Amino acid sequence: DAGVIQSPRHEVTEMGQEVTLRCKPISGHDYLFWYRQTMMRGLELLIYFNNNVPIDDSGMPEDRFSAKMPNASFSTLKIQPSEPRDSAVYFCASSRGSGTAVGNQPQHFGDGTRLSIL
Amino acid sequence: SQQGEEDPQALSIQEGENATMNCSYKTSINNLQWYRQNSGRGLVHLILIRSNEREKHSGRLRVTLDTSKKSSSLLITASRAADTASYFCATDAYFGNEKLTFGTGTRLTIIP
Repeated sequence: DAGVIQSPRHEVTEMGQEVTLRCKPISGHDYLFWYRQTMMRGLELLIYFNNNVPIDDSGMPEDRFSAKMPNASFSTLKIQPSEPRDSAVYFCASSRGSGTAVGNQPQHFGDGTRLSIL
Repeated sequence: SQQGEEDPQALSIQEGENATMNCSYKTSINNLQWYRQNSGRGLVHLILIRSNEREKHSGRLRVTLDTSKKSSSLLITASRAADTASYFCATDAYFGNEKLTFGTGTRLTIIP
């Protein structure tokens, strides 16, 4: 089975530019998560969706960040405008769990997008 | 916060030895999970232990959970060079919180 697919794997862009990260979850998974990983703050949950509906976006750092899930097989995380402090590795993960607590399901991670804002 | 703390932050051992990593958390949980992350890759789920379980095995992995101490340990027996990675624990919260909160991780290096 194909795992979670993220694109691009690397992104280098200048401050102020719009950045769009993409994720294709595992087919049949009801939950999709966006995380950010940095040395200083570790792995932080930004937002998660259940059946394409955003459930909790309390981890989104600022209004410059937005995420969408137009269908069950695709999600985007957008940063506009980007800033150097947004540099990090962004992970997408998916899991089963519709109708049950998601904490009892393993999450499947993509290999991430390494984002560098100059 | 619920965030777990792994101990030690870094561990280096000889190939063939056993590696033990610990995780402590702050509030009551339903489940605790362990993940591995190889350099430049995403996290990979290793094992899940429920709050009513005390020990669980999977191959060379042994996980224990002590809810009274709010702590868990991951033991890797007969370590191999391929076990070199960072290991994270992740917890959910007992009351209604669907999110997993990840710890700070232990960086394990296996010396051939």
